[in-house]
Amino acid sequence: DAGVTQSPTHLIKTRGQHVTLRCSPISGHKSVSWYQQVLGQGPQFIFQYYEKEERGRGNFPDRFSARQFPNYSSELNVNALLLGDSALYLCASSSPGYTEAFFGQGTRLTVV
Amino acid sequence: LAKTTQPISMDSYEGQEVNITCSHNNIATNDYITWYQQFPSQGPRFIIQGYKTKVTNEVASLFIPADRKSSTLSLPRVSLSDTAVYYCLVGARSGNTGKLIFGQGTTLQVKP
Repeated sequence: DAGVTQSPTHLIKTRGQHVTLRCSPISGHKSVSWYQQVLGQGPQFIFQYYEKEERGRGNFPDRFSARQFPNYSSELNVNALLLGDSALYLCASSSPGYTEAFFGQGTRLTVV
Repeated sequence: LAKTTQPISMDSYEGQEVNITCSHNNIATNDYITWYQQFPSQGPRFIIQGYKTKVTNEVASLFIPADRKSSTLSLPRVSLSDTAVYYCLVGARSGNTGKLIFGQGTTLQVKP
């Protein structure tokens, strides 16, 4: 059974540009969460979506947005990129029937 | 959500038992204690979760005293491949929430 998959694995963007990151949860999981991990720090919660509705939002500016599709996959969008947005972006899927959250390998975003 | 405090770093040698203690003085009655492991450029991976007393699985043991204000992750006979960052989290069971609060974690370095 496939785990959480994220795409792309790496990308480089220029300041001011827009980026879209994608995540496919484990089959049957209806909850998808996004995290930002800056080098040397723990992951920071950005969004949670459950059944296509936003269930939580972390302390991130409005430049960050997300959505969840009917098949429970999700996109994270970041507008007007700043150098400080350079980070590993992690997606996690979870289900009330499980003890744990399952993370993907992440997307390494570099803003230059 | 309860805040956690854990050592920034620890060193050990192969074959030794490693104990990482986490302090969570403000843990709520419904909170669980969960530990995740993260290797460089990968998403965190669930290790173990507990509510009270002792929990053991094939990877680790988790010791929780009666007052639940701290917990200790025990890794038996570590190997070089256990070198990673270990995060202690306190909150609802991971599968029931998409919002995980990570601290800085403990960087464990296992030496030959």
